[in-house]
Amino acid sequence: KQEVTQIPAALSVPEGENLVLNCSFTDSAIYNLQWFRQDPGKGLTSLLLIQSSQREQTSGRLNASLDKSSGRSTLYIAASQPGDSATYLCAVSEVWNSGGSNYKLTFGKGTLLTVNP
Amino acid sequence: GAVVSQHPSWVICKSGTSVKIECRSLDFQATTMFWYRQFPKQSLMLMATSNEGSKATYEQGVEKDKFLINHASLTLSTLTVTSAHPEDSSFYICSARGASRLAGGPIPGFFGPGTRLTVL
Repeated sequence: KQEVTQIPAALSVPEGENLVLNCSFTDSAIYNLQWFRQDPGKGLTSLLLIQSSQREQTSGRLNASLDKSSGRSTLYIAASQPGDSATYLCAVSEVWNSGGSNYKLTFGKGTLLTVNP
Repeated sequence: GAVVSQHPSWVICKSGTSVKIECRSLDFQATTMFWYRQFPKQSLMLMATSNEGSKATYEQGVEKDKFLINHASLTLSTLTVTSAHPEDSSFYICSARGASRLAGGPIPGFFGPGTRLTVL
């Protein structure tokens, strides 16, 4: 059974600092990995999607890397801003039925990020 | 990106009543919909997966007679919490996905904004 772990559980940094969020997964047979942002009481916003064949993806101040063989991913946030404060979730996609026609996401518990002005 | 809506966004009900939550894909046909539950400070836990026109597949530990899922059309899935109890209070999120695939893997699903259920 796939398990996704995120470290740290919470992080508080001053504005402007660069930071790294970590995600690890136990089964490397994944199709892709996604990083999401969740604001309090809200749904999920997809930030970055990395296919299993890729090593990293970038979007603005965000960079996500994937080392599938070691079961690790990192989300790098450059020049953090108070508006980045949210919970960041990591999720891996894998086949869930024997026919291989459907997939499901397994989520970590998230990292609660607070960026202080 | 594609839009998924949920209704209601929050609901408060008395213990023993049933509550229906709707999940709609607004601008694409969702062949597969997923229902998740999230308790405070916990991860999203998949409850069930439904393909349009088929019975839902429930994850281990999720009571299918308590959490009724209907996916009767390509744009609508409903989750009905029957005889709700305080322990069912949670944040319920749906995700919808179309039939196509990216090279090498599934396309990502799009998530609804969630429904906060409070059972008194």
